[in-house]
Amino acid sequence: QITLKESGPTLVKPTQTLTLTCTFSGFSLTTSGVGVGWIRQPPGKALEWLALIYWDDDKRYSPSLKSRLTITKDTSKNQVVLTMTNMDPVDTATYYCAHRPIPFSPGNWFDSWGQGTLVTVSS
Amino acid sequence: DILLTQSPSFLSASVGDRVTITCRASQGIANYLAWYQQKPGKAPKLLIYTASTLQSGVPSRFSGSGSGTQFTLTISSLQPEDFATYFCQQLNGYLAFGGGTKVEIK
Repeated sequence: QITLKESGPTLVKPTQTLTLTCTFSGFSLTTSGVGVGWIRQPPGKALEWLALIYWDDDKRYSPSLKSRLTITKDTSKNQVVLTMTNMDPVDTATYYCAHRPIPFSPGNWFDSWGQGTLVTVSS
Repeated sequence: DILLTQSPSFLSASVGDRVTITCRASQGIANYLAWYQQKPGKAPKLLIYTASTLQSGVPSRFSGSGSGTQFTLTISSLQPEDFATYFCQQLNGYLAFGGGTKVEIK
């Protein structure tokens, strides 16, 4: 059974850097084809993909946020970390991490999600 | 970047109704599309990937179709547990999500 859980601060101040950790179980990020992504959702709004890291350490970022994002993995701890710099109130959202399965055909979908963590940006 | 536009953004339906939700891509994406269901306060749940492949464990009343720029999610007979918000997602390059379609009880 795959599980993922996000952790990090619930409140950050504008201009600060947000660091979120995704701790997972039930799969290994050393397995060929596997990935972990981050997606966020402002209250009452749509989902927004942020970043994706693959088993081979290849990384993909949302073009609009690429300059502010860094995604890394620690396979020994089964963790993926997302940092987002220069936080702003518009970044207030629930942040999810999710498992990208070994694809039987090309594409990046997410079949297991964490419960999400609400991050509020306010002074 | 590819944009995904869902329609309608809101629909009201009754139990037993056949429901169709559309997702239109701003440029052709072959079959690189997934559908998710999200209930209030919960994480999204994968329903369909590569436009028409049903995720394991998802009821067969859900189906997906389309390719290129036009895709549909169909619920053949709406059940009480299906009242939720549905999102499409592009599966290649920039992993855009659609704006969502909220399905409410009529």
